[in-house]
Order: sequence, then C-alpha cells, then structure tokens
Amino acid sequence: EAEVAQSPRYKITEKSQAVAFWCDPISGHATLYWYRQILGQGPELLVQFQDESVVDDSQLPKDRFSAERLKGVDSTLKIQPAELGDSAMYLCASSLVGRGKPNTGELFFGEGSRLTVL
Amino acid sequence: AQKVTQAQTEISVVEKEDVTLDCVYETRDTTYYLFWYKQPPSGELVFLIRRNSFDEQNEISGRYSWNFQKSTSSFNFTITASQVVDSAVYFCALSETGAGSYQLTFGKGTKLSVIP
Repeated sequence: EAEVAQSPRYKITEKSQAVAFWCDPISGHATLYWYRQILGQGPELLVQFQDESVVDDSQLPKDRFSAERLKGVDSTLKIQPAELGDSAMYLCASSLVGRGKPNTGELFFGEGSRLTVL
Repeated sequence: AQKVTQAQTEISVVEKEDVTLDCVYETRDTTYYLFWYKQPPSGELVFLIRRNSFDEQNEISGRYSWNFQKSTSSFNFTITASQVVDSAVYFCALSETGAGSYQLTFGKGTKLSVIP
C-alpha cells in the first residue's frame, strides 16, 4: 500500500540551529500539506502546495520557516534558526486534489517527524 | 472561519464498555466534509471515516459507528465493546471545499484509554 514517507522520524537539535524535514507523498498526489502538531493539540496547517506552487502559507512563520516542492513531487520544510517553541511533530500529508480524479477530500498522512529543540 | 470542538480531553473506560466521542463543528460553507482520524502512540494519523455535508446517514463499520446531525452541527463517534487496541487519541476534522483547497481543520483531540 502506498504511503507518505517522511524523514527523519526523530530530530533533536539545539536552539538557533537549522533543521530540515523531508516528505515524499503518494505517487500521483498533486497536493501536499505540512502540518505542525504541538503536544496535546490537534495538527495545524503550515503550508499547502498544489504541484510545485504554494497555495496557502498564511500560517507559516516565514521569518524562520521555509518550504519548497521544486519539482512538484517531494518537499522539504526547513527551520532556521530553531527555537524552543518549535518542538512538535511535523506531519506531511498528500491528496489527489488537482489531478482531475474524483476527490474524496481525504488526506493521507505520513508518520511524522518529531522535533525536540533543546 | 471553520472550527472544530472536541470538549472531551480524556476519557477512560473499562474494556468492553461502549464509549462516545463528541465533535461539534462550525462552518459557513454549505458543502464540507467531516472526518475522524485515530492517532496511536506511534504518531501516524489513521483515517477512519469521511462524511460529506449532504449525507446525514449514520454509518456503522464493525464496532465503530458515527452519528452526523447537521441540526446540531455534531459528528459523534461511538465505539462499541471497546478494546485495549482502541486506546489512542481521536481527532475530528472539518474540510471546507471553498477554492478546492480541502484543508483540514482539526479539533484538539480526545485521548481514549481503554483499561483491561
């Protein structure tokens, strides 16, 4: 069964360091999302891509966060510099939206990358 | 703006008891989707069900059932004869279809503990 792949699963870093997360969506999925989930909370959207274009990054803290999906396939989320409050699970999801196929509105999530900033 | 409220932060039940997880949503759209996801300790969000706003039929899948009531903006989830493997955090989510974005707005989740 096709899955959304994310790496690394776990990352421990010191504040002010740079950190990057990678996501490979399910093949053929046009839309890719990055969500942040703080412990004890529900996931919150950071950025949404449609192919290689950003659809919505209104909740992305652009002073320190950046995201790209250069070829419209895999994506990288970067944080520089990391702050203590960035400790969270970073979830990537993908969906078929935009490929002209029947859309169920369902997002398929990866296992997430858990970030701890010391 | 859309909003999802899961008033129950944590629930504990004894195995084989039935349990209902509440979800109340707010949206201005007439067309939307509602979801339930399960998040086990491993962290992955597991899709359980999707409902569109035009389909108020209740659904049953094994020990799981969902009650969608537009009149009260609720989409409650019931687990019958709970099992230890049901222990997880459960999230209700709403997706508005405006502009075709299908972004999910999640509630804060309900942590279910099933005690043997």
